[in-house]
Amino acid sequence: LAKTTQPISMDSYEGQEVNITCSHNNIATNDYITWYQQFPSQGPRFIIQGYKTKVTNEVASLFIPADRKSSTLSLPRVSLSDTAVYYCLVGGKGAGSYQLTFGKGTKLSVIP
Amino acid sequence: NAGVTQTPKFRVLKTGQSMTLLCAQDMNHEYMYWYRQDPGMGLRLIHYSVGEGTTAKGEVPDGYNVSRLKKQNFLLGLESAAPSQTSVYFCASRTRGGGEQYFGPGTRLTVT
Repeated sequence: LAKTTQPISMDSYEGQEVNITCSHNNIATNDYITWYQQFPSQGPRFIIQGYKTKVTNEVASLFIPADRKSSTLSLPRVSLSDTAVYYCLVGGKGAGSYQLTFGKGTKLSVIP
Repeated sequence: NAGVTQTPKFRVLKTGQSMTLLCAQDMNHEYMYWYRQDPGMGLRLIHYSVGEGTTAKGEVPDGYNVSRLKKQNFLLGLESAAPSQTSVYFCASRTRGGGEQYFGPGTRLTVT
């Protein structure tokens, strides 16, 4: 499975847009890109998933360039409650596929 | 729907003792997973199951056994607990064709 690389930590002020980039150079043709959010003492929670171009939902956008070797999670106008660890995963959706590792993720700290 | 539930929430074991962690999901998901998360680290996959009666090893399977006798339940066993198994254990499930994993609240295990 494709390995991912993302920044260990990021700081942002409330109200700003935050972009977290994930590198996945050896992504496979049938791999999807999925982002999760984890608060302390809780299990990860799905944020968004995409295959190519741009995906948007009510909480975030995911930008994927044509070569799919990286992706960017965009959180609009963050608030203190967005302080969490964000994980980027790459893997297939088909039978037998699974995500091997979440890595260390990116710890986002939102400052008042 | 309760989603994914885990029993117990907390447990303290002495070295050499055994225990079983129970994961239950009420979403009729085919795939189920057990992860461990050590302080400041990402999640690492222990074992997973793609259906009732089938299990497979993940990234860190040593010292653990699993069983999936019923579709809705996935059990994780520690036959002889070691201090290195002190961790937070998360269970997750998903549908066969979906990418989103649904996580339980976690079990905090301490082995002294």
